[in-house]
Amino acid sequence: GENVEQHPSTLSVQEGDSAVIKCTYSDSASNYFPWYKQELGKRPQLIIDIRSNVGEKKDQRIAVTLNKTAKHFSLHITETQPEDSAVYFCAASTNQFYFGTGTSLTVIP
Amino acid sequence: DAGVTQSPTHLIKTRGQHVTLRCSPISGHKSVSWYQQVLGQGPQFIFQYYEKEERGRGNFPDRFSARQFPNYSSELNVNALLLGDSALYLCASSFSGAREKLFFGSGTQLSVL
Repeated sequence: GENVEQHPSTLSVQEGDSAVIKCTYSDSASNYFPWYKQELGKRPQLIIDIRSNVGEKKDQRIAVTLNKTAKHFSLHITETQPEDSAVYFCAASTNQFYFGTGTSLTVIP
Repeated sequence: DAGVTQSPTHLIKTRGQHVTLRCSPISGHKSVSWYQQVLGQGPQFIFQYYEKEERGRGNFPDRFSARQFPNYSSELNVNALLLGDSALYLCASSFSGAREKLFFGSGTQLSVL
């Protein structure tokens, strides 16, 4: 089955700086790659997603890039704010979803 | 528009007991999937159902079973509970389930003592 690895496990940045989280996947058949944000005690919520026929997608301060050849994709958050502090999960999907282990992002005011 | 609802929110059981968790998808969604999230880890896929048929099963023992009803709601059953089954159980719904946005419920926190 699919194996998704996510790095780093924890990340601290100063407010206003950028944050980058990276994921790799193993199954070349995976073709949908969502990112979820989970605040403490709350449900995961989709923040951005990308399909395998697209190399990059941007939504305001959030962007995702995909390298199908290398089987890796990354989340970029610019101009970070304290409310960006949460755990972020990447996932890869063929017919089912396989999640990474999560990155705990702390934005220091 | 109501989101994905799960019940109960919290549950305490003892080893060897059985538990049933329930999930109601967003109206119009026909696919429900179940995930186990251990503290500090990502959600792990357990089951996916679409139109009452099992579409996929993750690497979980046969003690775990699920079903989907004609109204698209779903139940996850776990028999012979072990301490290691303690986790947050998340349900997610989507229109068809394959390669599209998942909407998660708030989860059921199961503690096995």
